[in-house]
Amino acid sequence: DVKVTQSSRYLVKRTGEKVFLECVQDMDHENMFWYRQDPGLGLRLIYFSYDVKMKEKGDIPEGYSVSREKKERFSLILESASTNQTSMYLCASTKLQGENQPQHFGDGTRLSIL
Amino acid sequence: AQSVTQPDIHITVSEGASLELRCNYSYGATPYLFWYVQSPGQGLQLLLKYFSGDTLVQGIKGFEAEFKRSQSSFNLRKPSVHWSDAAEYFCAVNNNAGNMLTFGGGTRLMVKP
Repeated sequence: DVKVTQSSRYLVKRTGEKVFLECVQDMDHENMFWYRQDPGLGLRLIYFSYDVKMKEKGDIPEGYSVSREKKERFSLILESASTNQTSMYLCASTKLQGENQPQHFGDGTRLSIL
Repeated sequence: AQSVTQPDIHITVSEGASLELRCNYSYGATPYLFWYVQSPGQGLQLLLKYFSGDTLVQGIKGFEAEFKRSQSSFNLRKPSVHWSDAAEYFCAVNNNAGNMLTFGGGTRLMVKP
């Protein structure tokens, strides 16, 4: 079974801090994704990556950046956290582009910015 | 641009009753459709997927979904709901270019004893 692991289940940070959310997958997937989940809005794509050192903006990239130095790890960075970034963050991974594979999700990180 | 609509934000059913969760999509080409379930405090788990072929697809946990192109719908059904089915359900469409998904807003299912 695919395992997608997010480093923290719950995280509390202060406004203005730099925040790192880490995600690791163990199935050698090329594609990795970061979403945020808010009530009534479903999941919205922040960034995705289809290869090491490659990244693409999703629907709501403002205020975020990402890093993919190794194939198995995809990090989401909040450069200067703000209260409107309080949310649930979900990481996902999947196989090659074009094969319409389902995405496999981690358990999520619930981030609170005070 | 594609979109997914789940018209029901909350649904409550009695245990043992049948269930249907609605999903409508807007997409120009042949859609690739998914249903995911999210239990409290968990990530998303794939229930079933539709790519082509038989329009009635079977998934895990006794769920099924029917693709109706004429109605742009992909509704999720279960004949008899169990208390453990209480969760949030998400419908999603793949844009067929990069395995990117567009999600609906979700439907929260509550099950009465």
